[in-house]
Amino acid sequence: QKEVEQDPGPLSVPEGAIVSLNCTYSNSAFQYFMWYRQYSRKGPELLMYTYSSGNKEDGRFTAQVDKSSKYISLFIRDSQPSDSATYLCAMRSNYQLIWGAGTKLIIKP
Amino acid sequence: NAGVTQTPKFQVLKTGQSMTLQCAQDMNHNSMYWYRQDPGMGLRLIYYSASEGTTDKGEVPNGYNVSRLNKREFSLRLESAAPSQTSVYFCASNNQPQHFGDGTRLSIL
Repeated sequence: QKEVEQDPGPLSVPEGAIVSLNCTYSNSAFQYFMWYRQYSRKGPELLMYTYSSGNKEDGRFTAQVDKSSKYISLFIRDSQPSDSATYLCAMRSNYQLIWGAGTKLIIKP
Repeated sequence: NAGVTQTPKFQVLKTGQSMTLQCAQDMNHNSMYWYRQDPGMGLRLIYYSASEGTTDKGEVPNGYNVSRLNKREFSLRLESAAPSQTSVYFCASNNQPQHFGDGTRLSIL
């Protein structure tokens, strides 16, 4: 079993929809949780960063961490075609990041 | 404002050939990383360098060597390439957040 599980998709939704992306994990020592966005043929870039449980909002993006369920989510409101990308979750307890496989998101105009 | 620069962008090798992937960052970061990204596997850490003069193995170091040439540059060497090393290789710098280059797409025939 992988330490971090993420549905690879693709997830296809119409423009303007609310998108929910999720990861589950098995290591209860993880304390730092991140979402990266990766456009085709580009490197990942940090989108959201949260420490421990709770919610964090940044514009149209909300990151949610539920440590009791070992479950993290990224919500995108008013989705745009420019949000089409692969979204990777990542988490760590010490120095090394452990990555999910990424979910490919397609926003249809 | 280049960030993290990787060369080459594409390369095709024959089994048994050797090659060095180059990475340079201009952000004065101490730590640098080499990952490989394969479909369905997410990013897997090959080697990292916490600071100039130090290197450590990551999750999948076999078949690779690294050199932290100075604070800016961190190279990855394949001594005898194998088809299983066909992948997209990403270099990153900094611990939090990590900044990525745009990758080297490597095919081993």
